[in-house]
Amino acid sequence: DTAVSQTPKYLVTQMGNDKSIKCEQNLGHDTMYWYKQDSKKFLKIMFSYNNKELIINETVPNRFSPKSPDKAHLNLHINSLELGDSAVYFCASSHGQEGYTFGSGTRLTVV
Amino acid sequence: EDQVTQSPEALRLQEGESSSLNCSYTVSGLRGLFWYRQDPGKGPEFLFTLYSAGEEKEKERLKATLTKKESFLHITAPKPEDSATYLCAVRGANYGQNFVFGPGTRLSVLP
Repeated sequence: DTAVSQTPKYLVTQMGNDKSIKCEQNLGHDTMYWYKQDSKKFLKIMFSYNNKELIINETVPNRFSPKSPDKAHLNLHINSLELGDSAVYFCASSHGQEGYTFGSGTRLTVV
Repeated sequence: EDQVTQSPEALRLQEGESSSLNCSYTVSGLRGLFWYRQDPGKGPEFLFTLYSAGEEKEKERLKATLTKKESFLHITAPKPEDSATYLCAVRGANYGQNFVFGPGTRLSVLP
């Protein structure tokens, strides 16, 4: 069983569109995250979320919004996509102060 | 501001040729230094957590060490399957459960 699964794996879309990336974890972890990995391979936190608190990286445009229907899911919704949004997006989860378990990533290409 | 740098950016080794990767960090109140391995097209995979200077962790051919300013990932007698990007990340007192990631070292082990 895949511990952290993301869909889709690849997403190609036009500028201005709205898209969502789904993430599910079956580890029973209490916190989930979204990270962006740019072309230089830097991983940067976008959001972290548990049942009590959503922490947003202040550099993330408000076109990006996380949506969590339950503890096991944290989806990423993006409005009005721009060329600069092209990157690989990783979902991750953790329990307490342990290391993360990452999903396999979603490669977003905006054309 | 918390910061993580890694060197070298890329490293090519012959199979069996031992070497070390460096991770230098500046963080307010270290709450853990983490090493991850990332294969192309996949999410990072957790390797080690180090919490205090002098601590060491080992896993197969990998050994991670920690000082107050840097961490080393020693690779002993590497094999081609050790080829990957190795990411270092720190968790500081101001970051909750989030990490600051370094840019990674891309390791290639040639047969």
